[in-house]
Amino acid sequence: NAGVTQTPKFQVLKTGQSMTLQCAQDMNHNSMYWYRQDPGMGLRLIYYSASEGTTDKGEVPNGYNVSRLNKREFSLRLESAAPSQTSVYFCASSEHRAIQPQHFGDGTRLSIL
Amino acid sequence: AQSVAQPEDQVNVAEGNPLTVKCTYSVSGNPYLFWYVQYPNRGLQFLLKYITGDNLVKGSYGFEAEFNKSQTSFHLKKPSALVSDSALYFCAVRDGGATNKLIFGTGTLLAVQP
Repeated sequence: NAGVTQTPKFQVLKTGQSMTLQCAQDMNHNSMYWYRQDPGMGLRLIYYSASEGTTDKGEVPNGYNVSRLNKREFSLRLESAAPSQTSVYFCASSEHRAIQPQHFGDGTRLSIL
Repeated sequence: AQSVAQPEDQVNVAEGNPLTVKCTYSVSGNPYLFWYVQYPNRGLQFLLKYITGDNLVKGSYGFEAEFNKSQTSFHLKKPSALVSDSALYFCAVRDGGATNKLIFGTGTLLAVQP
């Protein structure tokens, strides 16, 4: 099915380890987003990419880096994981930045011990 | 600064009864308002949006929302609830064209009892 695909679905890390969350969309969308979802806090924007080749910080970018590898793929990297980064991470896409996020992946559940 | 509030953590309704999930917002410019739904272990799904025009907006799955500028509200409604509507609902707001940033509410869990 067309949509946003995130890998992995689950991951457990130790404090200080690094990892990259992968996201790919096959709808030819220009804009892509990374959110984190924490209980009682809704979704918060980490980074977004308005178009291929550009990335910008969102509300909570500290501790994260992103790469817009091509139009399809937008990865999120944790260089040195901390327990405060335990969360559910969602990737989303939209046709362009003026449109709200239209499609979300099913999330990556990340636990940092 | 823009913000959005969902005053109820949970709404309980019997199947077949009308449902309302409340949302209020604060922006400095013209509000762009959105509703999303999240089923367990899934990402958010877009339901509907208000940008301009008619205050009553119709969306997916029989949902609608009413924009009320004087009360700064954008409540989600459905005339007859289904058990399958049980999910987590998020309201979100964007400050018109001033920013690309979407601010989400904390979510309201809708429980529809058979």
